[in-house]
Amino acid sequence: DAKTTQPPSMDCAEGRAANLPCNHSTISGNEYVYWYRQIHSQGPQYIIHGLKNNETNEMASLIITEDRKSSTLILPHATLRDTAVYYCIVSPLNTDKLIFGTGTRLQVFP
Amino acid sequence: GAVVSQHPSRVICKSGTSVKIECRSLDFQATTMFWYRQFPKQSLMLMATSNEGSKATYEQGVEKDKFLINHASLTLSTLTVTSAHPEDSSFYICSARDSQGAQNSPLHFGNGTRLTVT
Repeated sequence: DAKTTQPPSMDCAEGRAANLPCNHSTISGNEYVYWYRQIHSQGPQYIIHGLKNNETNEMASLIITEDRKSSTLILPHATLRDTAVYYCIVSPLNTDKLIFGTGTRLQVFP
Repeated sequence: GAVVSQHPSRVICKSGTSVKIECRSLDFQATTMFWYRQFPKQSLMLMATSNEGSKATYEQGVEKDKFLINHASLTLSTLTVTSAHPEDSSFYICSARDSQGAQNSPLHFGNGTRLTVT
């Protein structure tokens, strides 16, 4: 079973920041938080991952709470092409498996 | 960046026939690849772990004799859906991680294969 909880859907205006929350209250010390997104009829695309520090790359920022029980993916300036299902996944270091939950369907509108 | 290629992207076959789907890591080696299945409006479901040079590991409820997996090289895994039936119609997606990358390096996914069984 997936170890994360995400809202089923969110809307965001184009150009605004999209903040996608994820709850992972049972996360273990050796588990990373990964974010992927899936645009319709395509394979998942890797966005970002982290252990306990906040992370930023060219796509997004990942904010992990100090107790690591939740995180937020931030798309700083959402575009229409960011409309997708966003998956938050926790996975331990010693396994390659990623178990997907139901994700958040983000709709970016003009 | 790491690229995973799947082929074909779409396939239509008749009930009772078999279909082979290929998954290749184009610019890295992968000792392990993963096969997922996704039904409409649902999330990805892990089917099996493909191990180079050894037998695949199947998730609970996935029939190993129906979904044959072969991982003959460090860059190629194949999934064969045998004796396909309409209920096997789905979106099949593979993924792989660079075996020589860091332990926490991300999985990369192919663009999926849409299988329709008529």
